[in-house]
Amino acid sequence: DAKTTQPPSMDCAEGRAANLPCNHSTISGNEYVYWYRQIHSQGPQYIIHGLKNNETNEMASLIITEDRKSSTLILPHATLRDTAVYYCIVSTALIFGKGTTLSVSS
Amino acid sequence: NAGVTQTPKFQVLKTGQSMTLQCAQDMNHNSMYWYRQDPGMGLRLIYYSASEGTTDKGEVPNGYNVSRLNKREFSLRLESAAPSQTSVYFCASSETRGGYGAKNIQYFGAGTRLSVL
Repeated sequence: DAKTTQPPSMDCAEGRAANLPCNHSTISGNEYVYWYRQIHSQGPQYIIHGLKNNETNEMASLIITEDRKSSTLILPHATLRDTAVYYCIVSTALIFGKGTTLSVSS
Repeated sequence: NAGVTQTPKFQVLKTGQSMTLQCAQDMNHNSMYWYRQDPGMGLRLIYYSASEGTTDKGEVPNGYNVSRLNKREFSLRLESAAPSQTSVYFCASSETRGGYGAKNIQYFGAGTRLSVL
C-alpha cells in the first residue's frame, strides 16, 4: 500500500497562502490522493482529492506533480480557523500518518 | 442529514469490562470503518466493512470485534477492555471501498472518547 510523508509542522501568517507538501512516491497509477484536516479533536474533515490534474474547490487547491510522486495542498488565504492537523492519504491505503500540524497566527 | 453518528461520546471502563461502540450512517454508504487515535498520533485502522455482510482487519485489530449489523450500522466491541485501549475512536463511512474519486471520500463521526482504568 502506498504511504505518504508529510512535514510534522508548519507555520503560516494569517492572510498568507499556506502550502502543505506531501510525498507519495509509491503511488500506483489509479490511486487518488485525498486531503483531510482535523481541528482539535473533532473527526477528520474531507478537503479535496485528485488523480493527475490540479484541482480547486471552495476550500483549497491541490497541485499534483506530473510524475504523481508528490502533491501540495494550498490554502490561498489562511485564517486562524485553518489551524489544524492536515492529512494526505492515498485512496486504497487508508493510512493516516501523523499529518502536518499547521499553525496560523495573526 | 446527520451523517455519521457515534454513541456514546464518552465512556469510562474498568479493566476487564466489555462494551460496544455504536456507529450509524444515513448516507446509504456501502463501506464503513473504525479507527483509533492515540494522543499525538494519526488515525490507525482497526477494522473495516467494504459492504454489508463483510468485515476485514485493519492495522490494529487485536482486542476488538466488529459487526456490520445492516447497511447503516457498524459496531465495535471490546470484549475485555485493557488500559492500552484508552483512545479516541472514530467511525467513518464512504460510498465504496477501493473505488475511485469521490466514491472513496470518507465521512467521519465526532468520535467516542474511551478511558480504561
